[in-house]
Amino acid sequence: AQSVTQPDIHITVSEGASLELRCNYSYGATPYLFWYVQSPGQGLQLLLKYFSGDTLVQGIKGFEAEFKRSQSSFNLRKPSVHWSDAAEYFCAVGARGGNKLVFGAGTILRVKS
Amino acid sequence: KAGVTQTPRYLIKTRGQQVTLSCSPISGHRSVSWYQQTPGQGLQFLFEYFSETQRNKGNFPGRFSGRQFSNSRSEMNVSTLELGDSALYLCASSLAGGADTDTQYFGPGTRLTVL
Repeated sequence: AQSVTQPDIHITVSEGASLELRCNYSYGATPYLFWYVQSPGQGLQLLLKYFSGDTLVQGIKGFEAEFKRSQSSFNLRKPSVHWSDAAEYFCAVGARGGNKLVFGAGTILRVKS
Repeated sequence: KAGVTQTPRYLIKTRGQQVTLSCSPISGHRSVSWYQQTPGQGLQFLFEYFSETQRNKGNFPGRFSGRQFSNSRSEMNVSTLELGDSALYLCASSLAGGADTDTQYFGPGTRLTVL
């Protein structure tokens, strides 16, 4: 069965500092991997996705993520965080040919000025 | 292109009642999936509909059901509401045409409160 672990429930970074949010997945085949962001009271916005090919993927808002098969990881990074990045971030894994996503528990990002 | 829309945005019901939530997918998207989000259980997959047929189902009791219409709009129904059904219900749509189209785009959600 698929599963996703986001080890950090909360992360606080200073504005302008770099960010890395961790995601580890468990899946028997090559997965589809996603990062979504959710602001309070809102739905989920897609930041980026990995299906195949280049293991470093670029997303919106200056985010990127790297797929590392050997570590079963798909960590999200941003070189310089802005106050508007404060939100909850979810990593998700999906099976090819199906639309059932399994989500991690989420990481709440606080940005201090 | 308009995004996924969900109605209503907020609902308050009492235990034992039933509720119907609606989702209109992005134009051209054929798959609609439903998720429940609660503070305790996080985001959990309920079911997916494609071409008016349920294609995937999560581990929820039979009180949770859904359907999809020929225009891809979907409804979700919860009967005999329980306090634990209070949650944000999210709908997502995708093209569902194969690799690289299985990207789900989410609506703003319906916040259901059961009293």
